[in-house]
Amino acid sequence: QVQLQESGPGLVKPSQALSLTCTVSGASISTPTYYWNWLRQPAGQGPEWIGRIYTNAHTDYNPSLKSRLTLSLDQSKNQFSLKLNSVTAADSAVYYCAASYVYRRDNFDYWGQGTQVAVSS
Amino acid sequence: DIQLTQSPPFLSASVGDRVTITCRASQDIGSYFAWYQQKPGKAPKLLIYSVSTLQTGVPSRFSGRRSGTEFTLTISSLQPEDFATYYCQQPKNYPTFGPGTKVEI
Repeated sequence: QVQLQESGPGLVKPSQALSLTCTVSGASISTPTYYWNWLRQPAGQGPEWIGRIYTNAHTDYNPSLKSRLTLSLDQSKNQFSLKLNSVTAADSAVYYCAASYVYRRDNFDYWGQGTQVAVSS
Repeated sequence: DIQLTQSPPFLSASVGDRVTITCRASQDIGSYFAWYQQKPGKAPKLLIYSVSTLQTGVPSRFSGRRSGTEFTLTISSLQPEDFATYYCQQPKNYPTFGPGTKVEI
């Protein structure tokens, strides 16, 4: 059973970068079985897919975030990370990491518990 | 962008009721359509994928169907643990979610 846990600051100042890490247990991020995803959910809204990264470091990004977004892997720590530049209040949300199977990569089978991020000065 | 319209946004129901939630896509989106259930303070949980395939462990009272660009989630007999918010999700171009339907007592 894949388990995921997000970590990172709960408060980020406007115009700064948001960095989050997802620690994976129960599977290696080097396995070809899964894509590793980030999603977020503003209060009272549906989830929004941010992007995904594969074991070979191939990435796909939400077009609306692509210019500010970088996803990366740290295979030595079995972690993957998100960096979102130039944040604004609109980036305040609960951020989730999630795993999806390669053969149906757009469905999210395993989720972390989520981490609340507020963008405020 | 592909738009997903979910209805109703809120639904009041009782235990034992048959409940149907509809999600309409703005264009053809293929067959990897999914439904998620979310309870307060928790991450969404994948219920149904590929339109009608139940995720492992999901009770058979949940079902999904497709008619063209309209997708439905039906709960045949609502149970106390089913009171939650339900989201539809489509895969075309990049994954997007509907705005949700809150099922309340």
